[in-house]
Amino acid sequence: AAGVIQSPRHLIKEKRETATLKCYPIPRHDTVYWYQQGPGQDPQFLISFYEKMQSDKGSIPDRFSAQQFSDYHSELNMSSLELGDSALYFCASSQTSGSFHEQFFGPGTRLTVL
Amino acid sequence: GQQLNQSPQSMFIQEGEDVSMNCTSSSIFNTWLWYKQDPGEGPVLLIALYKAGELTSNGRLTAQFGITRKDSFLNISASIPSDVGIYFCAGQLPAGANSKLTFGKGITLSVRP
Repeated sequence: AAGVIQSPRHLIKEKRETATLKCYPIPRHDTVYWYQQGPGQDPQFLISFYEKMQSDKGSIPDRFSAQQFSDYHSELNMSSLELGDSALYFCASSQTSGSFHEQFFGPGTRLTVL
Repeated sequence: GQQLNQSPQSMFIQEGEDVSMNCTSSSIFNTWLWYKQDPGEGPVLLIALYKAGELTSNGRLTAQFGITRKDSFLNISASIPSDVGIYFCAGQLPAGANSKLTFGKGITLSVRP
């Protein structure tokens, strides 16, 4: 079965640079979520989109922005990168309609800020 | 904010043993999910629970959604080496079907051959 696709899998940036992470949800899933996981931590919710509109917002820095496109893929844009932004970034997707709406996670993008 | 409590932080068992993990919360969650994560990989969904009192199995895994909607447990029977990993419980608030997940801190499971 098709899974959530994320690219790139690994990304190395310098401080104050920008980064763009991409997420391709499972086909027919209408909601995309972004989570950040620091070393030894649990995933923390950043932001989500339903039908291309922002549906919820968590602890996402103002330096970060995201959007969902007409083909349902999503991009997380990160500017003025800081050392503390180094983490695993996961995208998850779900299908809101129907009885079951589990969130399925992608393999993640490991961002390292030097 | 809402918090899910998982303890202990680590568990060590012998291959073939059964293990049980609990997850509790001071808040009510509409949905409870259990995920397993290998180092550097994304969380993999094991079991999703939607109804209070629901008991669900997936192979050697069994999970239950507490009657109060504030707790859940996951049982793994006859453990094998590939069960090694971090097990997270996650709750979804009643806000809606596409609401965010709140995770516990996770339990790292080690299985001795």
